[in-house]
Amino acid sequence: GENVEQHPSTLSVQEGDSAVIKCTYSDSASNYFPWYKQELGKRPQLIIDIRSNVGEKKDQRIAVTLNKTAKHFSLHITETQPEDSAVYFCAASMWSSASKIIFGSGTRLSIRP
Amino acid sequence: DADVTQTPRNRITKTGKRIMLECSQTKGHDRMYWYRQDPGLGLRLIYYSFDVKDINKGEISDGYSVSRQAQAKFSLSLESAIPNQTALYFCATSDFGASGQETQYFGPGTRLLVL
Repeated sequence: GENVEQHPSTLSVQEGDSAVIKCTYSDSASNYFPWYKQELGKRPQLIIDIRSNVGEKKDQRIAVTLNKTAKHFSLHITETQPEDSAVYFCAASMWSSASKIIFGSGTRLSIRP
Repeated sequence: DADVTQTPRNRITKTGKRIMLECSQTKGHDRMYWYRQDPGLGLRLIYYSFDVKDINKGEISDGYSVSRQAQAKFSLSLESAIPNQTALYFCATSDFGASGQETQYFGPGTRLLVL
């Protein structure tokens, strides 16, 4: 089955700097890669996703890149702000009627003032 | 997201007790999931259901059981609770469809402490 590894487990960056979180997946059939953000004490929520027919997707200060050959994908946050502090989860799935989403172990991002 | 609700929100129980966590959704989604979250271990899938007649084990189903009473309701039971089942439990639904993407909508979570 699919296995998703996420690094680093914790990340601290200066406000205004960029943050990068990386994930690798094992099943080459996976074709959908969402990212979820979980603020302290709250539920995870989808922030961005990418499908395997796209190499990069941007939404304001966040972007996700996908390298299908290497089976890894990354979340990039630019111009970080205090409200970016949260736990971020990557995930992978093979979009089909029988698949399920597999989550990475999470990255706790802290933004230093 | 008030469309996915969980009860109770917090629960303290003793070892050996049977407890049930309930999840309800008004989104009309067929797919529902139960996850467990422990510090440093992310979201681990316990059970999932793709429709009312479909129940599947996740990666950590031992010690748990589920019931899909209706499209809108998915309950998780701990038949005989043990301390290492102390965790934060999330229910989720998803809108799997022809768009090629699947967004999971999480409930607010149930914090369970087993003494």
